[in-house]
Amino acid sequence: EIVLTQSPATLSLSPGERATLSCRASQSVSIYLAWYQQKPGQTPRLLIYDASNRATGIPARFSGSGSGTDFTLTISSLEPEDFAVYYCQQRSNWPLTFGQGTKVEIK
Amino acid sequence: QITLKESGPTLVKPTQTLTLTCTFSGFSLSTSGVGVGWIRQPPGKALEWLALIYWNDDKRYSPSLKSRLTITKDTSKNQVVLTMTNMDPVDTATYYCANSHTKYSSSPFDPWGQGTLVTVSS
Repeated sequence: EIVLTQSPATLSLSPGERATLSCRASQSVSIYLAWYQQKPGQTPRLLIYDASNRATGIPARFSGSGSGTDFTLTISSLEPEDFAVYYCQQRSNWPLTFGQGTKVEIK
Repeated sequence: QITLKESGPTLVKPTQTLTLTCTFSGFSLSTSGVGVGWIRQPPGKALEWLALIYWNDDKRYSPSLKSRLTITKDTSKNQVVLTMTNMDPVDTATYYCANSHTKYSSSPFDPWGQGTLVTVSS
């Protein structure tokens, strides 16, 4: 099973700041990685697929990068609605696995 | 527009079998590349993938739960059913179904249903 390790667990930032979230895989997943955003009490929403492609309707301030074992989700300038939990998920090998999440909170 | 909605009991007793139904619209599970997956999330915890069924009836399960899970589809009703046997309080979670498509390499889950909270308690 591929383990996805997200860091940091919590990121405390102010609106307007840049957020950099990391997802590291225990073995290569090529580009078979997606990122999701989940706000409190809400359903997860797809942000990024295939490591670097923004899903439909996702603002340009969200970007994904990486391949193999190291991936990054960057939010260029945090908006109030971006404070949430972010999960990465791999589809390279069965079983599908999610990271444990990074919470982006208001500082 | 693709929508999915989960339905089933909100409370089950330990050792009982849980049956959840995902009713969807906006796509067909007879279309090549299409899949529907189930994911759960215990209160305050991370997401956990459970099972996925594809248009060609290929079925995949989480190894840790495989002996307890069964996923089936009814293409004519636009439904996917997940059964989980021998429920335990640790299975208390919000259960989501979601659309998946192999047209993207990472076959992401998009969109997701609203989720249904299942509590396991006597």
